[in-house]
Amino acid sequence: EADIYQTPRYLVIGTGKKITLECSQTMGHDKMYWYQQDPGMELHLIHYSYGVNSTEKGDLSSESTVSRIRTEHFPLTLESARPSHTSQYLCASSDIFGGSQGKLFFGSGTQLSVL
Amino acid sequence: AQSVSQHNHHVILSEAASLELGCNYSYGGTVNLFWYVQYPGQHLQLLLKYFSGDPLVKGIKGFEAEFIKSKFSFNLRKPSVQWSDTAEYFCAVNSNFGNEKLTFGTGTRLTIIP
Repeated sequence: EADIYQTPRYLVIGTGKKITLECSQTMGHDKMYWYQQDPGMELHLIHYSYGVNSTEKGDLSSESTVSRIRTEHFPLTLESARPSHTSQYLCASSDIFGGSQGKLFFGSGTQLSVL
Repeated sequence: AQSVSQHNHHVILSEAASLELGCNYSYGGTVNLFWYVQYPGQHLQLLLKYFSGDPLVKGIKGFEAEFIKSKFSFNLRKPSVQWSDTAEYFCAVNSNFGNEKLTFGTGTRLTIIP
């Protein structure tokens, strides 16, 4: 059973609001990832981190930002939400070996709707 | 850049039918290949993976996948599906050179009719 948690599960918010999507894992994994998925589309990597104070942009450009101050916590922030940000956001983690073997543990996701 | 194509967006089968979900990838180098599954209300989880060796790999719950290098394919199969196999299935790939960033396909929704 994966011990990676995302909150909130659903979020409906107005345009221009600042939001933070939370992601925490209790497995001590160094590597963490944020994926974005629109309905019927691929999961796109938007951010990843190899450890504390490490953050990198993923393959898909995103206006969101991330931080990694603690190993277990990898929040994603949108400074000013827009309807184009409406999507599902999935957080994942892996250990130093699992990552290279493609074994990621996923959270349950946050479905974000921006009105 | 690597990409993954899953041509079947939604597959509906009756219980005991055989299953094959297509997955093709595009990448010029050596790759690792994966199938992930998301059951209703659950997290996305790894179903099976291929790194090297025997191109026919077996995963959990009777699933298997065959890597055909000449066709750039990694199709998922199960001889006899069950209602509990209803889920969304994602094919994924990463390069074999220490790059663990996974590239996913669009997913195939599988519905099994009792």
